Amino acid sequence: ETGVTQTPRHLVMGMTNKKSLKCEQHLGHNAMYWYKQSAKKPLELMFVYSLEERVENNSVPSRFSPECPNSSHLFLHLHTLQPEDSALYLCASSQIITDTQYFGPGTRLTVL
Amino acid sequence: EDQVTQSPEALRLQEGESSSLNCSYTVSGLRGLFWYRQDPGKGPEFLFTLYSAGEEKEKERLKATLTKKESFLHITAPKPEDSATYLCAVHSLTGGGNKLTFGTGTQLKVEL
Repeated sequence: ETGVTQTPRHLVMGMTNKKSLKCEQHLGHNAMYWYKQSAKKPLELMFVYSLEERVENNSVPSRFSPECPNSSHLFLHLHTLQPEDSALYLCASSQIITDTQYFGPGTRLTVL
Repeated sequence: EDQVTQSPEALRLQEGESSSLNCSYTVSGLRGLFWYRQDPGKGPEFLFTLYSAGEEKEKERLKATLTKKESFLHITAPKPEDSATYLCAVHSLTGGGNKLTFGTGTQLKVEL
């Protein structure tokens, strides 16, 4: 595997389910990010981790819970989501938090 | 607050018909301007980083330029495979070192 990978690529869940999105970067970077991309809207930054410490939480609802166990892996735990949370969730990484970010392919989430 | 505006929202070109995409930005202190290409259902793919006014970068049929207020992505003799959404983003001093502010993108369609 190279670059930034994300699993699953597609996810359909009910409002009462609990699921997790996984991101892995193979670039040796120290910073990782979660973004939300909705139709006709700019990418929205959700969370930033630098050296496994969360450095930014952009007023994201508590039903989204990030976890960064090491510098290569990032998770987004989901519970009791709303239909408006349906979107493309993108993971990115960079060498340091001011550097160019490289994105994964995204997880297309549908909340029924 | 940082602002990024991209125009046009959508652009349809004939193969070989050169054109330019615009990214206007308002920031207090630009640390970097980034161009990405995004294909449907995929994550953004990094194209260029520009750091100071007057800087230019080229890659195949694409050339990015930067002034103090805007950036242009020039596409010379485009081919159908250049069809994608092109995203512009800025890093700024006001936004901290850990946040990219994205525009909504220009959706480019190149026809035979």
